[in-house]
Amino acid sequence: QVQLQESGPGLVKPSETLSLTCTVSGALITSDYWSWIRQPPGKGLEWIGNIFDSWNTNYNLSLKSRVTMSIDTSKNQFSLRLSSVVVADTAVYYCARGPYDFCSAGSCYFDYWGQGTPVTVSS
Amino acid sequence: SYELTQPPSVSVSPGQTARITCSGDSLPVQFAYWYQQKPGQAPVLVISKDSGTSSGIPGRFSGSKSGTTATLTISGVQPEDEADYYCQSADNSGTYPVVFGGGTKLTVL
Repeated sequence: QVQLQESGPGLVKPSETLSLTCTVSGALITSDYWSWIRQPPGKGLEWIGNIFDSWNTNYNLSLKSRVTMSIDTSKNQFSLRLSSVVVADTAVYYCARGPYDFCSAGSCYFDYWGQGTPVTVSS
Repeated sequence: SYELTQPPSVSVSPGQTARITCSGDSLPVQFAYWYQQKPGQAPVLVISKDSGTSSGIPGRFSGSKSGTTATLTISGVQPEDEADYYCQSADNSGTYPVVFGGGTKLTVL
């Protein structure tokens, strides 16, 4: 059974960098695409980006200038860094798996999700 | 930008059929996926590749697509089906590889 677990600070100050890590169990992180998705309070889902390996990343155009994703195969983890955060970045952040065959062909979807971690941007 | 359009809300009585639509210009050439999200929980994949029911999802959930519109159908709605439903797809240029619809709140009266 594939399981994902997000971890990281729940409070970040404006202009600082949000950093989250997703630990994957039950699957090799080298086998599929891995995404971050967020949901502001009371709003819908927004895809942030995905990573396959250190050379293959895709980011939402609206966030691309502030997003960096990385992967640590030794720990079966992948991470998100979102710089220069503002109040509007307050959200529940989910990590999720995208099957390789579909994500590599441009039709990504998400079959396993973490439980989500709330992040508040506030001074 | 690329958008997927869903109705904000749909209401049905128990036992009736609920249909939730999702419109997008690239849907004729891109798969549609559907997720169910209950309060305080992560989304769950219910329909993949337009019409495939995901593992563990009741058979009353089905998906279809015609032209630029994908439809999630829930036949014989149960009270536990009350949730938010999101469609997800991609544009056909590769510029927007993952896009979610705005979500539809299904209310079981």
